[in-house]
Parts: sequence; structure tokens; C-alpha cells
Amino acid sequence: GENVEQHPSTLSVQEGDSAVIKCTYSDSASNYFPWYKQELGKRPQLIIDIRSNVGEKKDQRIAVTLNKTAKHFSLHITETQPEDSAVYFCAASEAGKSTFGDGTTLTVKP
Amino acid sequence: GAGVSQTPSNKVTEKGKYVELRCDPISGHTALYWYRQSLGQGPEFLIYFQGTGAADDSGLPNDRFFAVRPEGSVSTLKIQRTERGDSAVYLCASSFSGLETQYFGPGTRLLVL
Repeated sequence: GENVEQHPSTLSVQEGDSAVIKCTYSDSASNYFPWYKQELGKRPQLIIDIRSNVGEKKDQRIAVTLNKTAKHFSLHITETQPEDSAVYFCAASEAGKSTFGDGTTLTVKP
Repeated sequence: GAGVSQTPSNKVTEKGKYVELRCDPISGHTALYWYRQSLGQGPEFLIYFQGTGAADDSGLPNDRFFAVRPEGSVSTLKIQRTERGDSAVYLCASSFSGLETQYFGPGTRLLVL
């Protein structure tokens, strides 16, 4: 089955700096790659996603890149703000089934 | 519109008991997913419904776990003979067609004593 590895497990940045989170996946059949933000005690919420026919997608301060050949994808957050502090999960999906990484705890220090 | 809802929000039970967890998806969403999330980990896939049928139940850990969606909307996750290791947050999600964004519910926090 699919295996998703996510790095780093924790990330601390200064407000205004950029943050990068990386994921690798194993199943070349995966074709949809969402990123979720989860605040403590809350539900995961989609922040951006990318499909396998696209290499990069951007939405304001958030961008995702996908390298299908290398089977890795990354989340980039620019101009970080304290409210970006949360746990971020990547996932690799195929035919409805999603496999999640173990999460990255991002702390943005004011 | 209303999002995905789950009941109960918390459930405490004793080892060996039976529990049912309910999920109400977003109206019109044909796809429904169940995940289990343990502390410090990402959601773990359990089962995916497309309409009334289970399209993929490969994530159900053993035969104590069963899920139904008889009318293609509300789903119930059933756990028999609960074990302490079943303690986790059980998340439900739905999507319009199975190929789109998944919207998560708030989860049911299950504690097996």
C-alpha cells in the first residue's frame, strides 16, 4: 500500500520568514495530493491541493510543488504569521483512499 | 450550508462493550470516509463509501470494525468488543464525488477504559 513520509516533524520560524514542509510517497498510482491544517482539538481543514497533472499551485502565501518522477511534494508558506501555527498534514490519494503523513508542528514566533 | 457533523462528540466506554459512531455528511456528497487519528499522528484511513456501498474497506483493522451507509447519506461506524487500543479520535469526511476535496467532521473522541 501507499506510504507517506513527512519532514520535519517540528518546525519553528520567526514571523515573516518562510516555512517549507516536505513529503514523499511510494505509490505511483497516487494522483491527488492535499495539504491540511489542524489546530489543537479541531478538525483538519484543507489549505491547498494539487493533482498529478500539475507541477505547482499557488494561493496567496501558500504554494505546493509536486515532482512525480521523484515522488515528492512540498508545502511552502511565505510571510508566516503567528496564526499559521498549527499541525500540517500532507496526504497522497488514489481512487478516494488517502494516506496521510504524520504531521509537522509549525510554530511561528512573533 | 451545514458541514459534516458527528455524534457523539465524546464517548467513554468499558473494554468489551459495543459502540456506534454516527456521521452526517454534507448534503449531496456521494463519497464518505472514516479515519482514525491517534495522538501525534495523521488520520489513518479506515473505509470509503461511494453511495451505499463500501468502495474500499481495506483500512478496517479487524472484523470487530464494521461500517454501514444504508441510504447513501448517514453512516454508522460500529465497533464490537472494544479494546483499550481502540481509543482515538474517529473522523468522518465527505466529498462531492470521491475525486474532490474532503471535508472533515469534528470527530468523535472514543475512550475505552
